[in-house]
Amino acid sequence: EADIYQTPRYLVIGTGKKITLECSQTMGHDKMYWYQQDPGMELHLIHYSYGVNSTEKGDLSSESTVSRIRTEHFPLTLESARPSHTSQYLCASSEDSEKLFFGSGTQLSVL
Amino acid sequence: RKEVEQDPGPFNVPEGATVAFNCTYSNSASQSFFWYRQDCRKEPKLLMSVYSSGNEDGRFTAQLNRASQYISLLIRDSKLSDSATYLCVVPPYSSASKIIFGSGTRLSIRP
Repeated sequence: EADIYQTPRYLVIGTGKKITLECSQTMGHDKMYWYQQDPGMELHLIHYSYGVNSTEKGDLSSESTVSRIRTEHFPLTLESARPSHTSQYLCASSEDSEKLFFGSGTQLSVL
Repeated sequence: RKEVEQDPGPFNVPEGATVAFNCTYSNSASQSFFWYRQDCRKEPKLLMSVYSSGNEDGRFTAQLNRASQYISLLIRDSKLSDSATYLCVVPPYSSASKIIFGSGTRLSIRP
């Protein structure tokens, strides 16, 4: 089993709130990723990081931001949540840009 | 043309049948490929890797056709528990590239 953890597992929140989705891995992987996925739809890369203090935007435009202050931690923040942000957010890490290990995901619902 | 393309399905086959689906990729420089399995509302998990001509693991066989630039996944003696979405993944071919996910093929095994 992969050692990558996401919290919370489920989050229901009102419009306009600031939220942070946590992602931590204990494998020492340099590369970490955030994907967004709606039910039955494909994965969309929204952010990635190749190491500490390195973050890049992914293929899908997102109003979220990320930070990578420590190797093991890659939190995602939404300053003001909106109903359009309702989705599943999956965090992943990789040692070699080949095999990805995913967390269990955060199902976000914005009312 | 998309970098990685998969038939979205759904493939609906009876238990015990053999089913196969393909994934085409556009970059001939790609060297390794992966199949992930994703259950409904769960995170993707690595199923098989394909580095050369192919790979076999029990009822599952992954094959690579470099000339035609596609990989295939064959499932023999399918089980109800094989019902899932199967994602084709192509790792980056350079340090500036990102992991590319196919949109996935939905497989449903019926009793």
